[in-house]
Formats: sequence, structure tokens, C-alpha cells
Amino acid sequence: QKEVEQDPGPLSVPEGAIVSLNCTYSNSAFQYFMWYRQYSRKGPELLMYTYSSGNKEDGRFTAQVDKSSKYISLFIRDSQPSDSATYLCAFAWGSGGGADGLTFGKGTHLIIQP
Amino acid sequence: EAQVTQNPRYLITVTGKKLTVTCSQNMNHEYMSWYRQDPGLGLRQIYYSMNVEVTDKGDVPEGYKVSRKEKRNFPLILESPSPNQTSLYFCASIKQGRWNEQYFGPGTRLTVT
Repeated sequence: QKEVEQDPGPLSVPEGAIVSLNCTYSNSAFQYFMWYRQYSRKGPELLMYTYSSGNKEDGRFTAQVDKSSKYISLFIRDSQPSDSATYLCAFAWGSGGGADGLTFGKGTHLIIQP
Repeated sequence: EAQVTQNPRYLITVTGKKLTVTCSQNMNHEYMSWYRQDPGLGLRQIYYSMNVEVTDKGDVPEGYKVSRKEKRNFPLILESPSPNQTSLYFCASIKQGRWNEQYFGPGTRLTVT
């Protein structure tokens, strides 16, 4: 079983739709959960960061963590063409800047159709 | 403005010709790391550094070297590049203990022929 599973897509939705992006993981030691947005030919940009279970909201973005199911989600409301990008999930068990590093999903390519 | 810079952004070279990709950050972060990104394989860590003169291997260190003589700089060295090192490389810096303070560089696309 792979440590992180993420559907590569592409996922194509019309503008204004609610987008749901998901990752599953197998390592129960993960405590920190992150989502990144990566535009074509750019570096990843941290979008959302959560610690442990629960929801976190930031504008149109909501990150959800279900540790019991080992499943995390990113919801995008009122999606815009500018949201078209690759979204990467990432996981860590330490608090950052330590030897554990980050474990990344392979990314989901999202296309928002105008 | 928080920034991680990488140079060069694009490089085409030949097998065996030593090269260095530079990475610099202006946030005084302790932690820096190098990743490579390949289609179907995602981001994989090559090397990381938790502070000056402290470096360690990531998941795919073979064929790479790094050094951390100054806090702001973390160069990636390919002493004898091979075609399987053709990839997109990213440098990242993180404030110790703060995953929410992390930045990636713009990437270096390397082609080894």
C-alpha cells in the first residue's frame, strides 16, 4: 500500500462549481496536513495547513482532516478559472524543519472551465 | 518580501559535466531542502539541511551533493550528471517548527543529454 494516494486527474469542472480534492494516507503517525497549489512552471505554494483532525477555512478554501479514516480533503467554493492548477497534498509527523520532512501526493490537475 | 531564488532556471548540459544549482533565501530560515519533481512520481526530497553545516540525505540522494556554509544558501551539486537526473528541481526553506512558514523556489529545469 502506497503511503499517500492522490488521484492525478485531470478534474474538469465549470466555473462556480464546488471542487473537492482528496488524499488518503496510510501512516497513522502523520499529525500535520498541508495542501499546495502549483501553477504550471512555478514552485508549489502552501495553500492550507492543519494540525490534527477537523476543518479549517480560509476564504473560498476549506481543508478537512479525518484521521480515523486517514483521509483529507480540500474544498474550493465558487471556483474560478484562476484556480486551475495542480493541487498537492502533503503530510508530516514532526512540527516542521526536522528530519522527518514532508511526504507528498502526486498531485491532482484541476481545470476550471469558464 | 519573502523569497527563495534559484539559478539557473533552465539548464541543458551533457553527461558528466559538473554543475551547481544555487538556492538562496532571505527569511533567515534554519531549514532548507531540495526536491526533484518527475511526472508520475511527484515531489521527492533529495537532501535537506537543518542549519549551517548540518545536512542529511532525503529519499533520492544518489548522484547529488549539497553544502550549507551560510544560512541563506544551499547549493545543489551534480558532480557527474547523467540523463536520469533530467528533472525539475525545487529548493524550499522552512522556519524551524513552523510548517505554515515555508516557501518554494521557482524551479530549475535541468536536461542532461
